[in-house]
Amino acid sequence: EVQLVESGGSLVQPGGSLKLSCVASGFTFSNYWMDWVRQTPGKSLEWIGEINTDGSKTNYAPSIKDRFTISRDNAKSTLYLQMSNVKSDDTAIYYCTRSYVMDAWGQGASVTVSS
Amino acid sequence: DIQMTQSPASLSASLGETVTIECRASEDIYNGLAWYQQKPGKSPQLLIYNANSLHTGVPSRFSGSGSGTQYSLKINSLQSEDVASYFCQQYYNYPNTFGAGTKLELK
Repeated sequence: EVQLVESGGSLVQPGGSLKLSCVASGFTFSNYWMDWVRQTPGKSLEWIGEINTDGSKTNYAPSIKDRFTISRDNAKSTLYLQMSNVKSDDTAIYYCTRSYVMDAWGQGASVTVSS
Repeated sequence: DIQMTQSPASLSASLGETVTIECRASEDIYNGLAWYQQKPGKSPQLLIYNANSLHTGVPSRFSGSGSGTQYSLKINSLQSEDVASYFCQQYYNYPNTFGAGTKLELK
């Protein structure tokens, strides 16, 4: 069974940093591009970015503006999202997904940005 | 960015009814479109990809159609378990973008 499990969500102060992890199982992680998507309290979905199979290429949404970095460790079947200089607008549920046609989603990690 | 305009924002329908949800892209997305279902408190799940291909395990009462800038999701014979929010997503061009969602309730 394909599974994605996020962790690392928490309350963080504006301007702070946070790193989310997503552990994959049930499929060959190194064969798939992986994406991050977030869902705001208003329930809309926003694509954050993606990473290719070996981690050498990433694409990001312009709205992220170099504040977030996606990486992966294929030996650990783990995807990461490093968030820096966070703002209140970054408050959301963060999901890792398999590929841009998102045929698998994690349960989500809750990030709240507040002082 | 390609804007995805989804309608209606909410919808109330009876069991057994046929329901249609639409998405309009701000430019041609050449069938690079997916539909997702999100039940309350759960993560979204893929229903349709490439505008009209049914994802594995999805009931055949769900279908997708369209081309160019206009796409639709149809649910035949509405079941109680179909109560959910539905989102379209274009992946033809970066950045991938989503519609605002349609909340489907039972009448």
